[in-house]
Amino acid sequence: KQEVTQIPAALSVPEGENLVLNCSFTDSAIYNLQWFRQDPGKGLTSLLLIQSSQREQTSGRLNASLDKSSGRSTLYIAASQPGDSATYLCVGLNGQNFVFGPGTRLSVLP
Amino acid sequence: GAVVSQHPSRVICKSGTSVKIECRSLDFQATTMFWYRQFPKKSLMLMATSNEGSKATYEQGVEKDKFLINHASLTLSTLTVTSAHPEDSSFYICSAPSQASTDTQYFGPGTRLTVL
Repeated sequence: KQEVTQIPAALSVPEGENLVLNCSFTDSAIYNLQWFRQDPGKGLTSLLLIQSSQREQTSGRLNASLDKSSGRSTLYIAASQPGDSATYLCVGLNGQNFVFGPGTRLSVLP
Repeated sequence: GAVVSQHPSRVICKSGTSVKIECRSLDFQATTMFWYRQFPKKSLMLMATSNEGSKATYEQGVEKDKFLINHASLTLSTLTVTSAHPEDSSFYICSAPSQASTDTQYFGPGTRLTVL
């Protein structure tokens, strides 16, 4: 059974810092890996999608990498801003099932 | 833990018909639920926010007349795909936020819709 973990569970950093969020999955047989942002009481907002054949994707200050061999994905946020404060989830597509990570709660302090 | 169910898990329908998908929070109340759609080999995208007792809020590009959402009770939201076409074939997932923490969401198992 595929399981996804995220480390750390929570993170608090001062504004301007670069940071890395980690996502690990137990089964490397995932089709794609997607990172989402979740604001309190809101639906998930898609940030980046990495297909199985890809190693990384970039969008603005965000960069996500995928290493299937080690079962890991990282989300790198450069020059963090208070507006980046949210919960970040990684979601893996394994066959026809989605597996959701528990999320990392990020607080960026002004 | 809290559980969200979806029914049906799979549905096949003919083009032009309407299909209803149910999302239920089994042991907690949810004034808000979210509906997502996944295109084959592509990403999972938020379609709309379902609000109990009021109109749903749709994301940009989602046709509200085609994807009717009704949040009739605190434990049930329905998504009706009207006049379905093959391009509506997709995987639909709902979620509901935890009552204890809006940072936590519980996801349903999904419904795979195939329109012939």
